[in-house]
Amino acid sequence: EVELLESGGGLVQPGGSLRLSCAASGFTFSSYAMTWVRQAPGKGLEWVSAFSATDGSTQYADSVRGRFTLSRDFSKNTLYLEMNSLRAEDTAVYYCARAATAAAGTGAFDFWGQGTMVTVSS
Amino acid sequence: EIVLTQSPATLSLSPGERATLSCRASQSLGSYVAWYQQKPGQAPRLLIYDVFNRATGIPARFSGSGSGTDFSLTISSLEPEDSAAYYCQQRNYWPVTFGQGTRLEIK
Repeated sequence: EVELLESGGGLVQPGGSLRLSCAASGFTFSSYAMTWVRQAPGKGLEWVSAFSATDGSTQYADSVRGRFTLSRDFSKNTLYLEMNSLRAEDTAVYYCARAATAAAGTGAFDFWGQGTMVTVSS
Repeated sequence: EIVLTQSPATLSLSPGERATLSCRASQSLGSYVAWYQQKPGQAPRLLIYDVFNRATGIPARFSGSGSGTDFSLTISSLEPEDSAAYYCQQRNYWPVTFGQGTRLEIK
């Protein structure tokens, strides 16, 4: 059974940093693209970042590029999202999701974690 | 960035009725269009991928169609558990984008 478990969310001051983790199990982690999607309170879904399993490339939304960094530890089957220079508008539930293919962008997001809440406030 | 506009914003229908949700793109898309269902307090769930393919375990009452700039999700006979928000998504161009959602209420 595919499982994705996010952790690392919490309350942080503007300008601060957090690292989110997504522990994956039940599938061959190295064979699938992975992605982060966020949802601000009461709002819709916003794609944040994706990691391609074909060539290790990463993609970022303009709203986070230069502040967020995506990485992957294959030995731990874990995806990370390092978030720096956090702003109030980054407040959201952050979901980790698996893409159905190895190449980011081609596969729909077929499995999702339950999300971790990030609150940026002073 | 590709903008996806979903309509209507909200929809209120009775069990057994047919629901048609629309998603219009700001430019022509290929086949990487998906639909997700999200219930309150839950993560999104993949319903339809690549325009018309049902994801594993999705009931046959859900169907997707469309091409170019116009796509739709149809629920042929509504069940009470279909009450949720529905989002379309495109992955043809970076960045991946979602529509703003349609909230479906079952009376």
